[in-house]
Amino acid sequence: RKEVEQDPGPFNVPEGATVAFNCTYSNSASQSFFWYRQDCRKEPKLLMSVYSSGNEDGRFTAQLNRASQYISLLIRDSKLSDSATYLCVVMNYGGSQGNLIFGKGTKLSVKP
Amino acid sequence: NAGVMQNPRHLVRRRGQEARLRCSPMKGHSHVYWYRQLPEEGLKFMVYLQKENIIDESGMPKERFSAEFPKEGPSILRIQQVVRGDSAAYFCASSPRQTGATEAFFGQGTRLTVV
Repeated sequence: RKEVEQDPGPFNVPEGATVAFNCTYSNSASQSFFWYRQDCRKEPKLLMSVYSSGNEDGRFTAQLNRASQYISLLIRDSKLSDSATYLCVVMNYGGSQGNLIFGKGTKLSVKP
Repeated sequence: NAGVMQNPRHLVRRRGQEARLRCSPMKGHSHVYWYRQLPEEGLKFMVYLQKENIIDESGMPKERFSAEFPKEGPSILRIQQVVRGDSAAYFCASSPRQTGATEAFFGQGTRLTVV
């Protein structure tokens, strides 16, 4: 089982739609969780951290369910500029490691 | 304050040659991470370095790959005797300390093509 799994998509949605991405992780000891965005042939950029209490940033809402080892990202009122690949990221601390473990990403395409 | 700088942006090497990828972290950052992204794949951790020390190289292939982060100068990822399978985008990230992603910033990457 992969450490971080995401639905690869692609998700093709019209402008204004609401879209949800899901992610599961295998290491129950994982401590930090994030969503990154990666545009085509660009570097990943942090979109938002994910907390158990849930957090919202404008049109974006992230949720974490530790019991189910499940992370979600909801995008409301999709814009053309939201088209990108969304990467679910888990960080496992302990020992000398401080590395980020990336899912393969979910591709979103927002159409006019 | 410049961001994480990687060079070259694009590198073409013939099979058997050496590739050297450079990463200059953000000012004040002493932690560097290297990741590899194969086409249509996610990012894979390769190595985590602090100044003059390799902290975790669990993601590095055992042969042909090495990394360093000297006291002065950029971090270098070195690939000897490149093969076609080494073709990928190599991203470097830096942070001021071992911490969460909120403080890790990525460079624009080096795209290595082996012909």
